[in-house]
Amino acid sequence: EIVLTQSPAILSLSPGERATLSCTASQSISDTLAWYQQKPGQAPRLLIYRASTRAVGIPARFSGSGSGTEFTLTISSLQFEDFAIYYCQQYHKWPPRITFGPGTTVDMK
Amino acid sequence: QITLQESGPSLLKPTQTLTLTCSFSGFSLNTNGVGVAWIRQTPGKALQWLALIYWDDSKRYSRSLTDRLTITKDTSKNQVVLTLTNVDPLDTATYYCAHTHVDTALDYWGLGTLVTVS
Repeated sequence: EIVLTQSPAILSLSPGERATLSCTASQSISDTLAWYQQKPGQAPRLLIYRASTRAVGIPARFSGSGSGTEFTLTISSLQFEDFAIYYCQQYHKWPPRITFGPGTTVDMK
Repeated sequence: QITLQESGPSLLKPTQTLTLTCSFSGFSLNTNGVGVAWIRQTPGKALQWLALIYWDDSKRYSRSLTDRLTITKDTSKNQVVLTLTNVDPLDTATYYCAHTHVDTALDYWGLGTLVTVS
């Protein structure tokens, strides 16, 4: 099973600051990685798929990069609504056995 | 407009079988590349993928739960059904279904349904 680790577990930042979240896969997954945002009481929302493609309606301040085993989600300038938990997820090799990372909480400093 | 809605029992006793239905609209499970996944989330914890079914009836299950899970589709009713046998209090979670495609990830999610085993 492909294991995803995320760092840091908690990221404390202020509005306007840049957030950089990392996701590492236990083996190469090419670019089959997605990022989700989840707020309390809500379902996750897809932000990025194929490591760097923004989903429909996602603001340009969200960007993804990486391939192989190392991936990054960057929020260029944090807005109040961006404080949430972020999960990475891999879907390598069709049909995939999906796994999620443990999440990074972005909270307000 | 793609929407999904989960339904099923809110309370179960240990050893019972959980049957959840995902009813969807805005897409067809007869369309090439389309799939539906089930994911759960225990209170305050991370997400756990459970199962996937695709338009061609390809199925995948979480390795840790493969002996207890079954996923099926009814394309005429636009539904996907997940069964989980022999439930335990550790299966208490919010269960989500989500739309996927071979070229994307889990792009549309239902609101989730809370299942308690006690």
